[in-house]
Amino acid sequence: NAGVMQNPRHLVRRRGQEARLRCSPMKGHSHVYWYRQLPEEGLKFMVYLQKENIIDESGMPKERFSAEFPKEGPSILRIQQVVRGDSAAYFCASGDRHSSNQPQHFGDGTRLSIL
Amino acid sequence: GDSVTQMEGPVTLSEEAFLTINCTYTATGYPSLFWYVQYPGEGLQLLLKATKADDKGSNKGFEATYRKETTSFHLEKGSVQVSDSAVYFCAYTTYDKVIFGPGTSLSVIP
Repeated sequence: NAGVMQNPRHLVRRRGQEARLRCSPMKGHSHVYWYRQLPEEGLKFMVYLQKENIIDESGMPKERFSAEFPKEGPSILRIQQVVRGDSAAYFCASGDRHSSNQPQHFGDGTRLSIL
Repeated sequence: GDSVTQMEGPVTLSEEAFLTINCTYTATGYPSLFWYVQYPGEGLQLLLKATKADDKGSNKGFEATYRKETTSFHLEKGSVQVSDSAVYFCAYTTYDKVIFGPGTSLSVIP
């Protein structure tokens, strides 16, 4: 019973390139959440998606960042024209229903490094 | 606004010492409270949770009690092990997201 799968585990990009981070939720989960963890800091919420819908993107930077969760396939967090400040660990979490009592299940993260 | 405050680390303890990591939160309503643990190079794992006032969550020798009157959820363990070395995050859920504290790094030395 696989947990939340994220890939790649490590991603290196040069400034100005695009970064694509993938997340496959746990089997049976239809809610996906993305968080960013800057060095020496806690996790900050970025976006919450259900299949084909963005529910809450209040934590997403206004420019260069986008997320999707298509009907088929993994959720994608896309960062265009990356800058040094985008270097961070990006974590995906999934849940099976919308309840504040239910913990989210986290993947091992993608560590993005910008050269 | 919504926030979680944790005691600052890093915390260094000898094996078998008593551990307390303080956590207080600011939230509207009555959120569910969680402790997550992050081992080096890994994602977050749920350690324990409490969903209502006076509930005690426990797992792997760790405990935390939901104190509504002090809006606190302090993490305790009576005897830590080297394998407990990790970063610990206090958190609560709102309608659609988890609000995390900044994390407290724990190092346990033999």
